[in-house]
Amino acid sequence: AQSVTQLDSQVPVFEEAPVELRCNYSSSVSVYLFWYVQYPNQGLQLLLKYLSGSTLVKGINGFEAEFNKSQTSFHLRKPSVHISDTAEYFCAVSEDTGGFKTIFGAGTRLFVKA
Amino acid sequence: DSGVTQTPKHLITATGQRVTLRCSPRSGDLSVYWYQQSLDQGLQFLIQYYNGEERAKGNILERFSAQQFPDLHSELNLSSLELGDSALYFCASSPRRGYEQYFGPGTRLTVT
Repeated sequence: AQSVTQLDSQVPVFEEAPVELRCNYSSSVSVYLFWYVQYPNQGLQLLLKYLSGSTLVKGINGFEAEFNKSQTSFHLRKPSVHISDTAEYFCAVSEDTGGFKTIFGAGTRLFVKA
Repeated sequence: DSGVTQTPKHLITATGQRVTLRCSPRSGDLSVYWYQQSLDQGLQFLIQYYNGEERAKGNILERFSAQQFPDLHSELNLSSLELGDSALYFCASSPRRGYEQYFGPGTRLTVT
């Protein structure tokens, strides 16, 4: 991917409310798409991935994402967030240009308020 | 626990020095990636190895180098350290090129 854009740097939301974290990418070839979560002072953990098949992907902790090829988007959603979901979320794209290269977005800080 | 180990966890050193960060990938993973994460630059891809060979290069400075050994562990060497090199350095491994990556806990480097 030439670029990965996470449209919101910070998203504050109240507990039990729904949330959507937006991710757009630019690429002219087939891609693999990922969302990772990073809790404070930890490494990144895989939330979910799209490699092929169904465009609606379910991940851990109740998160899901939908791949929209025409809009080159891969937005992350959760119907009801918890305080424990407060973390940094990264969208990532791998594209096959002869060798794979993965590009990460700048991250979106989700802050869940009581 | 991702299965990726990194040592040391913390490293404090002076400007001009050289350090080596070590990473052991998950069992069976042939791909290893190195990243630098800082507050001002975010998560930056440095370099990727696959089964001992360099496969992709990102924003890696000439003062930095890496290698992957026959047992698949990898080392990132940082030399002539500057204050701006202070950051978290992550290693990740992947079961297949382009697929999901499993991140280690990171090495926090502080250059004083």
